Amino acid sequence: DQQVKQNSPSLSVQEGRISILNCDYTNSMFDYFLWYKKYPAEGPTFLISISSIKDKNEDGRFTVFLNKSAKHLSLHIVPSQPGDSAVYFCAASARSGGSNYKLTFGKGTLLTVNP
Amino acid sequence: SQTIHQWPATLVQPVGSPLSLECTVEGTSNPNLYWYRQAAGRGLQLLFYSVGIGQISSEVPQNLSASRPQDRQFILSSKKLLLSDSGFYLCAWSADHISGTGNTGELFFGEGSRLTVL
Repeated sequence: DQQVKQNSPSLSVQEGRISILNCDYTNSMFDYFLWYKKYPAEGPTFLISISSIKDKNEDGRFTVFLNKSAKHLSLHIVPSQPGDSAVYFCAASARSGGSNYKLTFGKGTLLTVNP
Repeated sequence: SQTIHQWPATLVQPVGSPLSLECTVEGTSNPNLYWYRQAAGRGLQLLFYSVGIGQISSEVPQNLSASRPQDRQFILSSKKLLLSDSGFYLCAWSADHISGTGNTGELFFGEGSRLTVL
């Protein structure tokens, strides 16, 4: 049973446009969400996170939106750049439950930004 | 600053042979340690995590085992590899959740180890 779902395995956008990556979760205990970026043959690197007490967190070109009632979050990248081309993983944890050290990951979305 | 290193980076092993992947973390104490596997089409799957020396929790039943002989050392092993063990293995660490001030719960990943079982 997948608790974190990224239903789009791939996304292709034009340089300069907005990239929107989506993530859904089923576990209502999740209260902390993270996005990771991964290049081939490398470990994932942290991108941005959001706590469930917020509905938006912004860091430069990256913004994460959280809709708790819909159990949905999205990552917006604007403007998209060719260097953003990578696999993006959504992850969630249930921090208030004392298990904040366990992250559950989605399957990832391959973003390709075309010049 | 903290660093994490895992090795070997690439490994090609025959079915039935043993496996040992090693991971070490520097610059932090009492980290939580993890082994993840990225298999084709399956995202990042948590295999094992450890909150302290000798404390190992397994997330999925499998042909693999993990050990934590020292605070900042995490080892992934198998006595006999299967074809299905092929994949990209990632070691990661996070800050001890108990010491949690400023702890974002973020995982820091190693470079990964590509295992091909033939």
